[in-house]
Amino acid sequence: KAGVTQTPRYLIKTRGQQVTLSCSPISGHRSVSWYQQTPGQGLQFLFEYFSETQRNKGNFPGRFSGRQFSNSRSEMNVSTLELGDSALYLCASSLLGIGYGYTFGSGTRLTVV
Amino acid sequence: QQPVQSPQAVILREGEDAVINCSSSKALYSVHWYRQKHGEAPVFLMILLKGGEQKGHDKISASFNEKKQQSSLYLTASQLSYSGTYFCGTERIGMNSGYSTLTFGKGTMLLVSP
Repeated sequence: KAGVTQTPRYLIKTRGQQVTLSCSPISGHRSVSWYQQTPGQGLQFLFEYFSETQRNKGNFPGRFSGRQFSNSRSEMNVSTLELGDSALYLCASSLLGIGYGYTFGSGTRLTVV
Repeated sequence: QQPVQSPQAVILREGEDAVINCSSSKALYSVHWYRQKHGEAPVFLMILLKGGEQKGHDKISASFNEKKQQSSLYLTASQLSYSGTYFCGTERIGMNSGYSTLTFGKGTMLLVSP
C-alpha cells in the first residue's frame, strides 16, 4: 500500500513569508502528527490531529498551525517565517495514535533565507 | 520530558553487539524505536507497551522496564545495514488532554564498519 506522502520535498522561502506543507497519510490511518527535525534539537513534536481535531500541541509559537481534512490529509502552515524555521518537517501517520507505530513521510526540507 | 538516550554514538565492526538505552523521568504508556538512515525518513522498528515486555525483530530486540521507565534496544551480530541513527520515542498520556504524545530522544548514531 502507498506510504505517507509529503509535498513539496524541498522549499526555499524568504524571511517573513508563509508556507503550507501537505501530508497524505496511509489509507485508513486517522492520526497524523507533525515533527520538526534539526541537527541540534532532533525530532520536536509540533502537533497531532485525529479525525480533524487537534489532540495535542507541542511548544511552538502560534506561527505554526495545522489542520486535518475529512479524508485525513493534513496541512501545516508556518506564517512570518524566520531563519530558525529552516528544518526538515516530517509528517507521521498512525492507525489510531496511542499504542500504534508511526509511519513517517520523507519530509519537506524548508530553507528560509 | 524528552527521553534521554545513551550512548550518543557507537562504532562497531560487523558482527559485534550493541545496546542503546532510553530513559524517562515520567510514567510511560509505551516506548517506540525507530531507525533513520541519512537522508531518509525514520522507520518504525517496534513498540513496547507498559506492562514490561520484550520484543524481538530478527537480530534486533528491545525490553521495557516499566518500573524504571527505561528501555533498551539490543542489536546482535550487527550488519552493515544496521548503520543509522536510532531514536527512542516515549508515549505518555497528557494530564489535561487525555491523549498521548510521542516524544523522541536526540538519537544514537550507530556506524557498523566491515
